[in-house]
Formats: sequence, C-alpha cells, structure tokens
Amino acid sequence: KNEVEQSPQNLTAQEGEFITINCSYSVGISALHWLQQHPGGGIVSLFMLSSGKKKHGRLIATINIQEKHSSLHITASHPRDSAVYICAVVAANRDDKIIFGKGTRLHILP
Amino acid sequence: DTEVTQTPKHLVMGMTNKKSLKCEQHMGHRAMYWYKQKAKKPPELMFVYSYEKLSINESVPSRFSPECPNSSLLNLHLHALQPEDSALYLCASSQEEGSRQYFGPGTRLTVL
Repeated sequence: KNEVEQSPQNLTAQEGEFITINCSYSVGISALHWLQQHPGGGIVSLFMLSSGKKKHGRLIATINIQEKHSSLHITASHPRDSAVYICAVVAANRDDKIIFGKGTRLHILP
Repeated sequence: DTEVTQTPKHLVMGMTNKKSLKCEQHMGHRAMYWYKQKAKKPPELMFVYSYEKLSINESVPSRFSPECPNSSLLNLHLHALQPEDSALYLCASSQEEGSRQYFGPGTRLTVL
C-alpha cells in the first residue's frame, strides 16, 4: 500500500465546477505540500501546510492531522487549471524525506 | 527573485557522452534537491544538499554525480547513462531542508 494515496486519479469537470482532490497518508508528517504540474513538466508549489487551512485565490487547502487527510479545493474552475496535482508529505522521523502521491490528473472542459 | 532556473531545457546524449545539468537559485535557500521524473509518475528524490553538503543520496547509481560548488548552484554530472535514464530532471530549493520547495522547470533528458 502506498504511504500517500490520492483520489481521484483522474477527474474531468466542466468550467465553473467546484473541484476537490483528496490526499490520505499513513506516516507521521511534519508538513504536506500540494504541487501543480502542467504538461511540459514544470512544477509549482501551491501550498505547504502543517495544520488548518490555507487559501490563495481560488485555491483552498485543508489538512486534518488526526485523520491524516488533506484536501485541495478549486472554486470556479477554469480550463487553465487543467494539470496534474500532486500531494507530497514531509515524513517526520525520516530525515524529512518527501513522499509523493501518484497525482490527480485534472481536465477542465470549457 | 523567487525563481529556480535550470539549464539546459532539453538534452539529448549518447551512452558514452559526459554532460552536466545545472540548477541555480538566488533566494538564499540553503537546501537544494535533484529529482528524476518518468512520464506519468511522481518525482523521485535523488539527492539533497543542505548547506552545500550532501545530505541525502537515495541510492542513486554512480553514473549520476551531484556537485554543489556554492550555495546558489547545484550541478548533476552525467556519464555513461543508459536509455532508461531518459526522464525529466527537476531541481528544487528550500529555505532549509524540509521546508517549502520551489521547483525549476526541469531538464528533459533523452539518452540514445
């Protein structure tokens, strides 16, 4: 079983829809990253969080440390949001090793 | 300057070639990372440098040789690579090891 699981693996939605991507992990962590990777490869760090909730524009990330779960929400989705979204955790007690989820491929239709 | 730059963007090399990938940041970050990413897979950590010293080597074959000449630069020297080493090589940096990482655009490497 992977230590970081994301769901769904693939998601297609219409422009304007509210999007939720989930991440569950089984290791103790000191922080969790949400990353965005566009076709062509460039990775952008969207959020790094260790508790609670963060908001940046139309993006919201939440984390529940007790439940070992994080969600990434996109409000008023747009075709330019189409990308792969990757959850990555910083494993505590393992030299801050980063463990990546397999990513969620999001496609927003105009 | 909040950017991590990588050169070259694309590289095609033969199995007998020696080449180097370069990564640079001017954010004063003290940790720098090399990742390898195969198509449709998440990035895999290769090396971590912290304060210009190699902190983590994820059992990477010796045909990949990292170098950190100063706190702003990170190189990855390549020699005698195999076709299966073809991938996107991503560099990242962070304030300290374990803190938020900023990624470069990557170098797409093809080994013939």
